[in-house]
Amino acid sequence: GAVVSQHPSWVICKSGTSVKIECRSLDFQATTMFWYRQFPKQSLMLMATSNEGSKATYEQGVEKDKFLINHASLTLSTLTVTSAHPEDSSFYICSARDPTSGTSTDTQYFGPGTRLTVL
Amino acid sequence: KQEVTQIPAALSVPEGENLVLNCSFTDSAIYNLQWFRQDPGKGLTSLLLIQSSQREQTSGRLNASLDKSSGRSTLYIAASQPGDSATYLCAPGANSKLTFGKGITLSVRP
Repeated sequence: GAVVSQHPSWVICKSGTSVKIECRSLDFQATTMFWYRQFPKQSLMLMATSNEGSKATYEQGVEKDKFLINHASLTLSTLTVTSAHPEDSSFYICSARDPTSGTSTDTQYFGPGTRLTVL
Repeated sequence: KQEVTQIPAALSVPEGENLVLNCSFTDSAIYNLQWFRQDPGKGLTSLLLIQSSQREQTSGRLNASLDKSSGRSTLYIAASQPGDSATYLCAPGANSKLTFGKGITLSVRP
């Protein structure tokens, strides 16, 4: 099956610094990737939809200047948390859609997640 | 706005029991619905995908049903095993997006 990787798997940073998280589709080309955030015992909340070669589409309430998304190639999307604060500590998960799967919303393949802790 | 409810939040059963996990959603205009498994601190594993035109899907000991008009889906797990212990999330999909419930944390006791 399709594999999506994320790097790093966990990161600890100081308040005010920026952190970059990578999401890669390893064996397929993903024109669309999605970034989710999950707080403890909460559901995954979609943050933004990342489209290769164009600007990301952010969900209501998500600050686009704080969460910078770049989808520079068909296999890589990055999420940069700028000027991170303790309230940004969360589990960030990406997914990639395989456009060859043939269904209307296509199957999303999820990465293993990145645990961000901001001190 | 789609809202997804999964009740109860947690469930503990003895090994070997058959069980049903319920999911309800408010907007029936969906393209499909997926069930995922999430182990603690890990990403998601897709278990079953049901298209809106389908009533159910089966994979091994898992069977998922979908009643789109009433906004309900169930995941049936037969002969549960300790290895089934995890959080199970349902996610109806529409407009290229998935909306997740909070999940049901299942514990299967040996």
